[in-house]
Amino acid sequence: DAGITQSPRYKITETGRQVTLMCHQTWSHSYMFWYRQDLGHGLRLIYYSAAADITDKGEVPDGYVVSRSKTENFPLTLESATRSQTSVYFCASSEGLASDTQYFGPGTRLTVL
Amino acid sequence: ILNVEQSPQSLHVQEGDSTNFTCSFPSSNFYALHWYRWETAKSPEALFVMTLNGDEKKKGRISATLNTKEGYSYLYIKGSQPEDSATYLCAFSRNTGGFKTIFGAGTRLFVKA
Repeated sequence: DAGITQSPRYKITETGRQVTLMCHQTWSHSYMFWYRQDLGHGLRLIYYSAAADITDKGEVPDGYVVSRSKTENFPLTLESATRSQTSVYFCASSEGLASDTQYFGPGTRLTVL
Repeated sequence: ILNVEQSPQSLHVQEGDSTNFTCSFPSSNFYALHWYRWETAKSPEALFVMTLNGDEKKKGRISATLNTKEGYSYLYIKGSQPEDSATYLCAFSRNTGGFKTIFGAGTRLFVKA
């Protein structure tokens, strides 16, 4: 199916474990983004990528690692999950940067126990 | 610190009422202003992107205006319907020394039939 997908949709893990959230888009958009949604904070940018092998930090990058070996995939890894990383994570993509619409995936709800 | 403020936080209206929300953002280094509609249990969907001072956009019963000099945007909904119930997010983009898009916390609209 065309669009932007995320997996898993729901994940429960324990403190200290490594977790990878997947994001895949079929539009060949150059830009991809990872956000987390927390009550009272709206959406906060974790990392973004301008193209394959080009990534940059957003507002809240600590504790996260990203990679982009292929244009269509942008996985987000929590190297050692903490309870404060319990959140809903949204992946998005866009053709261009600041003035272009971002298209969001369905989100991954992550709970860290 | 960049701040995007949205008001009110939430709004309860009756079906048929017209309503409006405000998004305030820094007036310097403006690049674009986005409005998104976010229904519960779904992902944000783009409504408008505006880049020029004085821009006005319209989609059906929803319209938006932009004042970049004073740093605000209004979103209007004419004749609210229950299906308009959602969170309305605005996002401010700047591009100085690197890309930055900041989302507001949103205005949650409840339309009662």
